[in-house]
Amino acid sequence: EAGVTQSPTHLIKTRGQQVTLRCSPISGHTSVYWYQQALGLGLQFLLWYDEGEERNRGNFPPRFSGRQFPNYSSELNVNALELEDSALYLCASSLAGFGTTTSPLHFGNGTRLTVT
Amino acid sequence: AQSVSQHNHHVILSEAASLELGCNYSYGGTVNLFWYVQYPGQHLQLLLKYFSGDPLVKGIKGFEAEFIKSKFSFNLRKPSVQWSDTAEYFCAVNAAEYGNKLVFGAGTILRVKS
Repeated sequence: EAGVTQSPTHLIKTRGQQVTLRCSPISGHTSVYWYQQALGLGLQFLLWYDEGEERNRGNFPPRFSGRQFPNYSSELNVNALELEDSALYLCASSLAGFGTTTSPLHFGNGTRLTVT
Repeated sequence: AQSVSQHNHHVILSEAASLELGCNYSYGGTVNLFWYVQYPGQHLQLLLKYFSGDPLVKGIKGFEAEFIKSKFSFNLRKPSVQWSDTAEYFCAVNAAEYGNKLVFGAGTILRVKS
């Protein structure tokens, strides 16, 4: 079984630019989650998509957005990049939403974003 | 505010020492509890989980965790660590009253000396 795949693996952008990160969930998983892992801060919840709809979002500004496609893959877009956006962005997928009791998250390896 | 606290950011142990990593959360209602582990160079993976029933849950590689509702805690334990347990460990909590988000602690980096 192929795991969660993310692209690109590394990205360097300049402050003010825009970036798009991509995620393909495990086959059969309908829920996709995005987390930001900044140094020393653990994983901060960004967005949750299920069946093509945004179900919940974390405490991030509107310049963080995303979408989920009919094939359940997902994109995370970050506009007007700031230096503090430098982090590892993790995507995870599960069979169903957080609310179910038997569907742990499966994580990808992440995209390392550096903003200069 | 929703929060998950892990008490130690760095832990260094010798092989065969016992391990206990603390995790406390601030939700008052029903919770689902998890420990995830990230080995060097690998992706995050589930170590164990608690949903209901026996508050002592056993996971992979000899790890266990105990849910103590009165203390809002879900500490991770292992009687005898190995060098291969060197990793970062994350406690995570999922609660319906907070929109079912899975909220992670800041993580604990464990280094086991051989």
